[in-house]
Parts: sequence; structure tokens; C-alpha cells
Amino acid sequence: EAGVAQSPRYKIIEKRQSVAFWCNPISGHATLYWYQQILGQGPKLLIQFQNNGVVDDSQLPKDRFSAERLKGVDSTLKIQPAKLEDSAVYLCASSLGGTLGTQYFGPGTRLTVL
Amino acid sequence: AQRVTQPEKLLSVFKGAPVELKCNYSYSGSPELFWYVQYSRQRLQLLLRHISRESIKGFTADLNKGETSFHLKKPFAQEEDSAMYYCALIDNQGGKLIFGQGTELSVKP
Repeated sequence: EAGVAQSPRYKIIEKRQSVAFWCNPISGHATLYWYQQILGQGPKLLIQFQNNGVVDDSQLPKDRFSAERLKGVDSTLKIQPAKLEDSAVYLCASSLGGTLGTQYFGPGTRLTVL
Repeated sequence: AQRVTQPEKLLSVFKGAPVELKCNYSYSGSPELFWYVQYSRQRLQLLLRHISRESIKGFTADLNKGETSFHLKKPFAQEEDSAMYYCALIDNQGGKLIFGQGTELSVKP
């Protein structure tokens, strides 16, 4: 089966600019996650969707980050305006659903903010 | 607070030597624990999960609730085991994974 797809793979922007990332989960997967992985750290959840509803966005910096999952399939994560500390790899993952479902990860988008 | 700690950033061993990657956790209740692996230039993938009690690629991990640990072990390391290893637990309120900082395993010939 096709895996989780993400684009772009790399992005370089200047601080205060905006950027958007796209994720296409595995077909049929109801749950979609966005994680932020800062260099030298493990991934940290930003937002979790169940179909097109938000389950957990407690660690999403809502003053600058936003995410949506239209029609319960693809998702976009946006940062506006970006800060230097947003430099990280942004990982999208999906699972069939349920709290113990295996999460499958995409290749990630590496963001560099100058 | 829920937390996963991997005390070693880097673990370097020779081929054929035993390997133990340490993982300790803090969690109220019964945790579900996982090991994820990321090989060079590949995506993060599940290696094994505690609930399955299985051995994958020769790796095993046993949950020790008394010591709140979930160490990953392999009796004889291979060069192809070189990778980043992340221990994680699942938040049973919503299903998000809480990751440790990761340990880089380097297996030398």
C-alpha cells in the first residue's frame, strides 16, 4: 500500500514569512497527526485529527500555527509568521483509528527559518 | 506528567556485541510502549510494541513496571542495526505518541 505522502520535502524561508505543508495519509486512515521534531529531540505532537475533527491541539502554538483536514483526508499545516525556533522537521502520521492503532509516518518536511 | 527518557544520545558497539538501549518512562496507569526506528534516509517506522510481545529483527523489549523501564535488547548487533531508535508511549486519552529524545546506535565492523 502507498505510504503517507508529504510535500514539500524541504523548505527554506526567512523569519516572518509564511509556509504551508501538505500531507496525504494512507487511504482509509481516519486519524491524522502532525508532529514537530526539533534537531536532537524526539517528535512532539502538534495536532491530531479524527476524520476532519480536532482531537488534540493542546501543544499547537495557535497564534501562528493552523491546521485543517478538509473532507477527512488530506491535511495542511500552516505557519504564519514563522520564527527562527520553528526550524524543525514536520512529520505527518496516520493510523486506522483507536488509541492503539499503529501510526505510519511520512518522510517529513525539513523547514529552515533564516 | 507523562514522560519518556532515553539517557544515551549515542551508543556505539562492535558487530556481534550485545546491545541494550535504555528507556524509562513516567506514566500513571498501565502504559502501552513502543520502539520506533529511523534508518538513514528512511522514514520513522515501528520496530516493536510491548503489547505484541514479539521479536523483530532479533530485538526484544520487556516492560518492567517496577523499574518503569522498557529497554530494547539484541544479543548480537549487526551493522544494519545502525539507526536512530526512539522509545515512545501512547497517551490513552487520545492516542498521541510521547517520544523520548532518541538514541543513535552505531554498530562498527
